[in-house]
Amino acid sequence: EIVLTQSPGTLSLSPGERATLSCRASQSVSSPYLGWYQQKPGQPPRLLIFGASHRASGIPDRFGGSGSGTDFTLTISRLEPEDFAVYYCQQYGSSPWTFGQGTKVEIK
Amino acid sequence: QVRLVQYGGGVVQPGGSLTLSCATSGFTFSSYGMHWVRQAPGKGLEWVAVIFYDANYRYYADSVKGRFTISRDDSSDTLFLEMNSLRADDTGLYYCARVAYCRGGACYAELDYWGQGSLVTVSS
Repeated sequence: EIVLTQSPGTLSLSPGERATLSCRASQSVSSPYLGWYQQKPGQPPRLLIFGASHRASGIPDRFGGSGSGTDFTLTISRLEPEDFAVYYCQQYGSSPWTFGQGTKVEIK
Repeated sequence: QVRLVQYGGGVVQPGGSLTLSCATSGFTFSSYGMHWVRQAPGKGLEWVAVIFYDANYRYYADSVKGRFTISRDDSSDTLFLEMNSLRADDTGLYYCARVAYCRGGACYAELDYWGQGSLVTVSS
């Protein structure tokens, strides 16, 4: 099983600041089959990034993904008020599919 | 537009059973793999099960293997999750989600559309 470890657990930032979220895998993620999701309270997750670096349809370009192998990063270049949420990485290249434990981006 | 509307959920006693449904529209259901993902109260996302587009491949998390069954009815464009021998730690919000694409008989892709969630509470 590929274990995904996200850091930090909580990120306290102000609107306009840059957010950098990390997702580290216990073994190499093939292809890379790595995605990022955003979840706000009371809502289902929303796909942001697939294939480690490709923005999903309708996702603003302030969201960017990078990385390969075992180290992946989600960057939000300038935080907007609607970006404060919980973010999850997921690997979907092998069974069992796994999620990281999440990073909460909160308003400082 | 793509829609995933979930039904079912509720309160059930430990050891009981429950079936969740996910009715889909806006896409050719028979061509897509589908997942169930759950979220315990105040916790993160946990993958539960997947069924590929042709239903020949089904995979389960170890925590539900032998107790849960994922299935699909392509005639009604509906996904199901039959849950038996339910335990307190099965409590949570269950989401159905669509795999973005299947290729070469396999459905290893991101989850691009999600249902609204069905709440399952296992309690005596």
